[in-house]
Amino acid sequence: DAKTTQPPSMDCAEGRAANLPCNHSTISGNEYVYWYRQIHSQGPQYIIHGLKNNETNEMASLIITEDRKSSTLILPHATLRDTAVYYCIAAPGGYNKLIFGAGTRLAVHP
Amino acid sequence: DAGVIQSPRHEVTEMGQEVTLRCKPISGHNSLFWYRQTMMRGLELLIYFNNNVPIDDSGMPEDRFSAKMPNASFSTLKIQPSEPRDSAVYFCASNLDRVYGYTFGSGTRLTVV
Repeated sequence: DAKTTQPPSMDCAEGRAANLPCNHSTISGNEYVYWYRQIHSQGPQYIIHGLKNNETNEMASLIITEDRKSSTLILPHATLRDTAVYYCIAAPGGYNKLIFGAGTRLAVHP
Repeated sequence: DAGVIQSPRHEVTEMGQEVTLRCKPISGHNSLFWYRQTMMRGLELLIYFNNNVPIDDSGMPEDRFSAKMPNASFSTLKIQPSEPRDSAVYFCASNLDRVYGYTFGSGTRLTVV
């Protein structure tokens, strides 16, 4: 699986958009970009995934650059409940193992 | 759907004792994963099953650890004998097709004293 690089921490004001970057410069053509988050002491939660096109669901939007070497997870209106560690993972589709890195610790403050 | 169910939620045991962690995946999911999380090492994949068959156990730290999946609705992770360095939160996850993402359980917090 391709290695991903994320900033260790970020801050965001409540109500503002949170933009979390991820670099995956060695991503292969068959590898998806997955985003998960882990709220303190809970199990990780799936957020969104994408291959080439930008994706949006009820939780977030995923913007993938045209060369697929980086992506950004966007939480459009961050709330205090979005405070969590966010993990970006590049891995093939289908059943397979997901390897979690250190992630980005997002703190949303009032 | 009740989600992925793990038991117990908390386990405190003495060094040298056998510990068994249990997981019930979401009905219909055909892949199951065991992870361990510590402050020092983060989330580590221990083993995963597909259609009840172990596919990759390269993350199992040593022979003291074993995992089974006797049927599609149940899996166990056993540590025998347990050691203090096994203290961690152990998560179980399942999915049908990873394109749709894993669903994680709430975890078992294991403390070995």
